[in-house]
Amino acid sequence: KQEVTQIPAALSVPEGENLVLNCSFTDSAIYNLQWFRQDPGKGLTSLLLIQSSQREQTSGRLNASLDKSSGRSTLYIAASQPGDSATYLCAVRRGGLRNAGNMLTFGGGTRLMVKP
Amino acid sequence: DGGITQSPKYLFRKEGQNVTLSCEQNLNHDAMYWYRQDPGQGLRLIYYSQIVNDFQKGDIAEGYSVSREKKESFPLTVTSAQKNPTAFYLCASTPKSNQPQHFGDGTRLSIL
Repeated sequence: KQEVTQIPAALSVPEGENLVLNCSFTDSAIYNLQWFRQDPGKGLTSLLLIQSSQREQTSGRLNASLDKSSGRSTLYIAASQPGDSATYLCAVRRGGLRNAGNMLTFGGGTRLMVKP
Repeated sequence: DGGITQSPKYLFRKEGQNVTLSCEQNLNHDAMYWYRQDPGQGLRLIYYSQIVNDFQKGDIAEGYSVSREKKESFPLTVTSAQKNPTAFYLCASTPKSNQPQHFGDGTRLSIL
């Protein structure tokens, strides 16, 4: 059974700092990995999706990497801003031929606070 | 604007009562999903549907039921058999292809 873990559970940094969020998964047979942002009391917004054949994806100040063999992904946020404060979740799409349903397994999230 | 609408935003359930959460999307997506999120935790899959009139159980389907009579609608019923229904419920959709899931803003369910 796939398990996804995110460490740390919470992180507080001063504005302007570069930071890294970690995601690990137990089964390397994945189709892709997504990073989401969740604001308090809201749904999820997709930030980056990395296919299993890719090593990284970039969008603005965000860079996500994927190392399937070690079961790890990182989300790098450059020059953090107070507006980046949110919970960040990673999710892996389960592998296997029968998984045509795009089912995701989520980590517990990292709650980020960027202080002005 | 295309998107996913969940209603109501807040819902209260009495003991022994069934309640239904609404999820509507105008994105023309084939697949729809229901997730449950408990405080400080990730999302767990309740049910999903890849096509109209078809749906499958997720990891925690006990005490829940769904229907998919229309492409744009995927309501979730929390039955009295669900003994711990207090949670944040999120609906999502995706095209058939390998694309990111889009999420609604959620419904927070509490017990009276």
